[in-house]
Amino acid sequence: GAVVSQHPSRVICKSGTSVKIECRSLDFQATTMFWYRQFPKQSLMLMATSNEGSKATYEQGVEKDKFLINHASLTLSTLTVTSAHPEDSSFYICSAEPTSYNEQFFGPGTRLTVL
Amino acid sequence: AQSVTQLGSHVSVSEGALVLLRCNYSSSVPPYLFWYVQYPNQGLQLLLKYTTGATLVKGINGFEAEFKKSETSFHLTKPSAHMSDAAEYFCAVILKTSGSRLTFGEGTQLTVNP
Repeated sequence: GAVVSQHPSRVICKSGTSVKIECRSLDFQATTMFWYRQFPKQSLMLMATSNEGSKATYEQGVEKDKFLINHASLTLSTLTVTSAHPEDSSFYICSAEPTSYNEQFFGPGTRLTVL
Repeated sequence: AQSVTQLGSHVSVSEGALVLLRCNYSSSVPPYLFWYVQYPNQGLQLLLKYTTGATLVKGINGFEAEFKKSETSFHLTKPSAHMSDAAEYFCAVILKTSGSRLTFGEGTQLTVNP
């Protein structure tokens, strides 16, 4: 149980385009989902926390207008990288937390490459 | 302030040798503690966690960790390394004052030599 999926697993796009990444909890409901960014050989950096039905809470330094997060249901959160640029190329990982459960379950990640 | 410190960004051991990955936290109130493993181009997999109760926690793949409050540590060990243990390991905490927000250490790359 507690499986989290991400789609797509890998995406290559041109500079200036927008890319949407989906994060789904497959067998549980997640009141809270998290989005992380990971650069090569580095740790995970929390970008934002999203709660179902409310606006996401962004970490300091993360542009909310560039990284749009929507958590429309208890099993789906989306991250849209708007007007992507090469510096946005990274590994994006989501996690989901079952209601009232102090543990996050991680998705397999999405490798974004912006040309 | 750094909440989680992993000593040693790279650790190399021989196959069959003891694995010891170090993690210290800084918090006046003991947090919830986690160890995750990450294989290349994959997400994170939970190895083990400590929330309350027994301070020696056993996880998957033969790993275990001991919470030592006096040392503010949560070191990860495995008696005998396998080649398949080669991966990146992250220690993480949930501070009880920060809801469910995970704070990660910088990670330790484990290399297992034949």
